Amino acid sequence: QKEVEQDPGPLSVPEGAIVSLNCTYSNSAFQYFMWYRQYSRKGPELLMYTYSSGNKEDGRFTAQVDKSSKYISLFIRDSQPSDSATYLCAIAAGNKLTFGGGTRVLVKP
Amino acid sequence: DGGITQSPKYLFRKEGQNVTLSCEQNLNHDAMYWYRQDPGQGLRLIYYSQIVNDFQKGDIAEGYSVSREKKESFPLTVTSAQKNPTAFYLCASSITQGKGYTFGSGTRLTVV
Repeated sequence: QKEVEQDPGPLSVPEGAIVSLNCTYSNSAFQYFMWYRQYSRKGPELLMYTYSSGNKEDGRFTAQVDKSSKYISLFIRDSQPSDSATYLCAIAAGNKLTFGGGTRVLVKP
Repeated sequence: DGGITQSPKYLFRKEGQNVTLSCEQNLNHDAMYWYRQDPGQGLRLIYYSQIVNDFQKGDIAEGYSVSREKKESFPLTVTSAQKNPTAFYLCASSITQGKGYTFGSGTRLTVV
């Protein structure tokens, strides 16, 4: 079993819809939770960073962490075609960062 | 502007050759990392370095080597011992290990 599981998709939504992404993890020692966006043939860029259970909002993006269920989510409101990318969750415990496999998202105009 | 520069963007390697991928950062970050990304798979850690002249193996270090002679630079050598080197290689850095990383734009290595 992988330490961090993420559905690879692809997830196809119409423009303006809410995109819902999630990851599950197995190590309860994980402390920091991140979401990265990666466009094709580019390096990942950090979208959201949180370390506690609950919600964190930044513009159209909301990150949600449920430590009791070992489950994290990313919601993208009012999705745009420019949001089409691969989204990677990343979870840190101490000196180690573990990535999910990424979910490919396609927002259709 | 601060950031991470990886070069070259595309690299072709013949069987039996060693090749070196460059990674330079001007963010004044202490920690640097090399990851490999294959289609449909997540990022897998090759090597990481917390400080100059010190580095540790990651999950898939076999067939790779690194050096960290300067804070700004963390080159990765893909040796002939790496049997399946075709992949997308990403370099990253962070202020402290385990926190949010800044990534370079990657090097795509292809064996010909």
